[in-house]
Amino acid sequence: AQTVTQSQPEMSVQEAETVTLSCTYDTSESDYYLFWYKQPPSRQMILVIRQEAYKQQNATENRFSVNFQKAAKSFSLKISDSQLGDAAMYFCAYRTLNMKTSYDKVIFGPGTSLSVIP
Amino acid sequence: NAGVTQTPKFQVLKTGQSMTLQCAQDMNHEYMSWYRQDPGMGLRLIHYSVGAGITDQGEVPNGYNVSRSTTEDFPLRLLSAAPSQTSVYFCASSYTRWAETQYFGPGTRLLVL
Repeated sequence: AQTVTQSQPEMSVQEAETVTLSCTYDTSESDYYLFWYKQPPSRQMILVIRQEAYKQQNATENRFSVNFQKAAKSFSLKISDSQLGDAAMYFCAYRTLNMKTSYDKVIFGPGTSLSVIP
Repeated sequence: NAGVTQTPKFQVLKTGQSMTLQCAQDMNHEYMSWYRQDPGMGLRLIHYSVGAGITDQGEVPNGYNVSRSTTEDFPLRLLSAAPSQTSVYFCASSYTRWAETQYFGPGTRLLVL
């Protein structure tokens, strides 16, 4: 069964600095998606960045980038030039991509709480 | 577009009561799903639907029913509420099942006494 692990329950970063959030996963599938979601105190789930497993190039979205290591099953999120608005809970998520069956699975990690220090 | 809307925002139930959590989207998305979020845990998939008239179970379906009579609406029914169902519930939708981006609603906080 697939699992997603986020080993850092809490992280903090100084404003304008860079922080990296870790995520590892376990799967026997070769095709899948990986995501980072942000959940601020409003509880809204906001997509930060996504990565298709078949793409070797790391995804980038403005100040957010990932380090995707497929062989190591690692998917870390780097936030550059951290801003106060980045403070939130961050969830790493795995989604299966099996077009041959109706089976669907989405697995979320337990989350990392990020604080931004002014 | 309103996106994904959920009602109510907060609900208190007594053990054994039933209720329906509403979810609607105005983006003409085929795929809709329900998650629950418990403290210290990530979201867990309850049920999902790949289109009107088609539903399937996710990771934690027990105690919940769903139906999808229209593309827009995907209600989640609690048949006989239990304290273990105290959680925050999120509805999400995407254009197709294979679309990589899901759009989440604001969540419904449910407390079962």
